Amino acid sequence: KNEVEQSPQNLTAQEGEFITINCSYSVGISALHWLQQHPGGGIVSLFMLSSGKKKHGRLIATINIQEKHSSLHITASHPRDSAVYICAVGTDKLIFGTGTRLQVFP
Amino acid sequence: SAVISQKPSRDICQRGTSLTIQCQVDSQVTMMFWYRQQPGQSLTLIATANQGSEATYESGFVIDKFPISRPNLTFSTLTVSNMSPEDSSIYLCSVELPGLAGPQETQYFGPGTRLLVL
Repeated sequence: KNEVEQSPQNLTAQEGEFITINCSYSVGISALHWLQQHPGGGIVSLFMLSSGKKKHGRLIATINIQEKHSSLHITASHPRDSAVYICAVGTDKLIFGTGTRLQVFP
Repeated sequence: SAVISQKPSRDICQRGTSLTIQCQVDSQVTMMFWYRQQPGQSLTLIATANQGSEATYESGFVIDKFPISRPNLTFSTLTVSNMSPEDSSIYLCSVELPGLAGPQETQYFGPGTRLLVL
């Protein structure tokens, strides 16, 4: 069993839909990261969380430390949100989930 | 924040040859990380490079195959030696810097080097 599990693996949505991507982990962590990887390969850090909730524009990230679970929400999704979203947890190093491939259609 | 550049952005190489990937950061950082992302897979840490000391390699990665240099606090290179098709991957460098909201660190990634070995 992977130490970091993401669901779903693939997700398609119509423009405007509310999207949720989930991440569960099984190890003790110092922080959890949500990353966005576009088709060209470059990775952008979206959030780093150690507790509670953070919001940036249309993106919201939450974490429940007791349940070892985090969610990334995208409100009013747009085709430019199409990317792979990766959850990574920080221990003495980062452990990455396998990513959720999101496609948003107009 | 940090701006990280990598060279080359992509390359196609013949098996048995070696390729050196450069990573340049616009801030001085203590630790730089090199990751590999094989097709359809998640990121895997290859090694951690500290300036002034030898790199620390993760299980499954060895210095002879992936030699790393870290000559100063803003630059590092990763060499993929004696390449085979299994080395075809995206290679990314990464740094940690204090976040804008406080002392906790934020991870910044380079744009990646896409390598295809024939």
